[in-house]
Amino acid sequence: DAKTTQPNSMESNEEEPVHLPCNHSTISGTDYIHWYRQLPSQGPEYVIHGLTSNVNNRMASLAIAEDRKSSTLILHRATLRDAAVYYCILLSGGSYIPTFGRGTSLIVHP
Amino acid sequence: GAVVSQHPSWVICKSGTSVKIECRSLDFQATTMFWYRQFPKQSLMLMATSNEGSKATYEQGVEKDKFLINHASLTLSTLTVTSAHPEDSSFYICSAQGRRNTEAFFGQGTRLTVV
Repeated sequence: DAKTTQPNSMESNEEEPVHLPCNHSTISGTDYIHWYRQLPSQGPEYVIHGLTSNVNNRMASLAIAEDRKSSTLILHRATLRDAAVYYCILLSGGSYIPTFGRGTSLIVHP
Repeated sequence: GAVVSQHPSWVICKSGTSVKIECRSLDFQATTMFWYRQFPKQSLMLMATSNEGSKATYEQGVEKDKFLINHASLTLSTLTVTSAHPEDSSFYICSAQGRRNTEAFFGQGTRLTVV
């Protein structure tokens, strides 16, 4: 299975942008890059996903490197409610089982 | 986005009893469902994959006779923890995929405490 690596934790101040990196150097051409986040005592919540082009939605932006070996989830203005563990995972038609690494624990300071 | 409902959100049971957790896809047909277990401060660990109408595929180290999975319809999968013991206490999470298997949607999770 393709794997992803993320920093264990990151910190941000409220109202500031946050850039959460993810490396996926073994990504294949059919792998979609998905981001989920998990708040305490809740199931993972879908954030955003993309294949090649950068993506924007109401929650975040996803910047995908040209070689697709890395991506960055961008929270434009962090709030206290964004404090969560963020997971970057790869899903494809060939390996469609969502497999989670340790993710990045985002701490947001007021 | 698609909605997956998991019930109950928490349950406390006595050691030796069985507990059933339901996972429903509310607005799409889930051809595949996944069950995960998560211990405190750890990531989600895949327990099993189930396809509608067929037997579940269990990950190595997960006892199929202890964690019974039924996926009888395209909108419902159940996980039954049989003869639960305190070490089974954990956060159980289901996930559902439709025919477009490049997306996955998760339930709210069930906190199981065995006393």
